[in-house]
Amino acid sequence: GENVEQHPSTLSVQEGDSAVIKCTYSDSASNYFPWYKQELGKGPQLIIDIRSNVGEKKDQRIAVTLNKTAKHFSLHITETQPEDSAVYFCAASHFNKFYFGSGTKLNVKP
Amino acid sequence: DSGVTQTPKHLITATGQRVTLRCSPRSGDLSVYWYQQSLDQGLQFLIQYYNGEERAKGNILERFSAQQFPDLHSELNLSSLELGDSALYFCASSVANNNYGYTFGSGTRLTVV
Repeated sequence: GENVEQHPSTLSVQEGDSAVIKCTYSDSASNYFPWYKQELGKGPQLIIDIRSNVGEKKDQRIAVTLNKTAKHFSLHITETQPEDSAVYFCAASHFNKFYFGSGTKLNVKP
Repeated sequence: DSGVTQTPKHLITATGQRVTLRCSPRSGDLSVYWYQQSLDQGLQFLIQYYNGEERAKGNILERFSAQQFPDLHSELNLSSLELGDSALYFCASSVANNNYGYTFGSGTRLTVV
């Protein structure tokens, strides 16, 4: 089955700096790669996603890149703000199967 | 509001008891997925239903069961509860039996005492 590894497990940055979270996957059949933000006590919220026919996608301060050959994808957050502090999960999906990374706790210091 | 509704939001019960968690998918979504998230843990997939039929099974204990009803809402039944079952339980829904429009609910926090 699919195996998704996510790094780092914790990330602390200063407000205004950039944050990068990386994930690798093992199953080349995976074709959908979403990223979720989970705030304390809430459900995961989709923040950006990318399909395997696209190499990069950007939405304001958030971007995701995908390298299918190397089987890795990354989340980039620029100009971080305190409200970006949360746990971020990556996932790799094929058809109806979703495999989640173990999460990254991002702390943005004011 | 994601459109996926989970009730109750919080549940406290004793060991050995049985509880039922409910999920109403987003309007038009036919698939429902259940996940367990223990403290500081990732999301563990439990089970998926599509249009009333079980379609995928993950690490779901035999003490747990689920079903999806004709109106597409789903229930997760947890029985003979143990302290270790304390966790957040999320459901997600998607349009069909695929990964389009995959959306999570806000979860049910279960505490077993």
